[in-house]
Amino acid sequence: GAGVSQSPSNKVTEKGKDVELRCDPISGHTALYWYRQSLGQGLEFLIYFQGNSAPDKSGLPSDRFSAERTGGSVSTLTIQRTQQEDSAVYLCASSLASGEYNEQFFGPGTRLTVL
Amino acid sequence: SQQGEEDPQALSIQEGENATMNCSYKTSINNLQWYRQNSGRGLVHLILIRSNEREKHSGRLRVTLDTSKKSSSLLITASRAADTASYFCATILYGQNFVFGPGTRLSVLP
Repeated sequence: GAGVSQSPSNKVTEKGKDVELRCDPISGHTALYWYRQSLGQGLEFLIYFQGNSAPDKSGLPSDRFSAERTGGSVSTLTIQRTQQEDSAVYLCASSLASGEYNEQFFGPGTRLTVL
Repeated sequence: SQQGEEDPQALSIQEGENATMNCSYKTSINNLQWYRQNSGRGLVHLILIRSNEREKHSGRLRVTLDTSKKSSSLLITASRAADTASYFCATILYGQNFVFGPGTRLSVLP
């Protein structure tokens, strides 16, 4: 593919509703990352997938957050019972392989607004 | 301070001037990466410097790394309005998790 794509680009939801955010990584990239970025802040690591290994969920802020990656490609980040503090830009990135020597390619992000 | 913390938080310069941003980190690293973010959206990788390197160049970018001080700097020479963005350094912590600092917001004024 041309790059990492994310959908939707913007999502407005009401407090208490569930949302699903989608990430299509670059074809052939085995590593996939989710980050959250609040307004004017740095990136907060959420979860990391590498191939068929169990994901590293250490960054998920609460059990309302979950993510899956089907077939080693597309990933969905689900936020249940959304809260206003969940409002942020959710960024997905993929890399050819895991490890710190690999460049991460970022998608454009999904801007989530919880009213 | 947090791992991968940039300073200054914000920087305004005139077009044509040089911009220098710094990044400090706490733990030992194997490499450090710099990224740029425009308009609060996706980040773009700029440059990677390994722990055994002291300086690296890419076009108008110059990155230095001082592992003894646990710090890195990003220099943008002859800045342009298009360089206006937020700049982040990233390191690895606890295995595969990239840790990004809060970033430096650079404004290049025409």
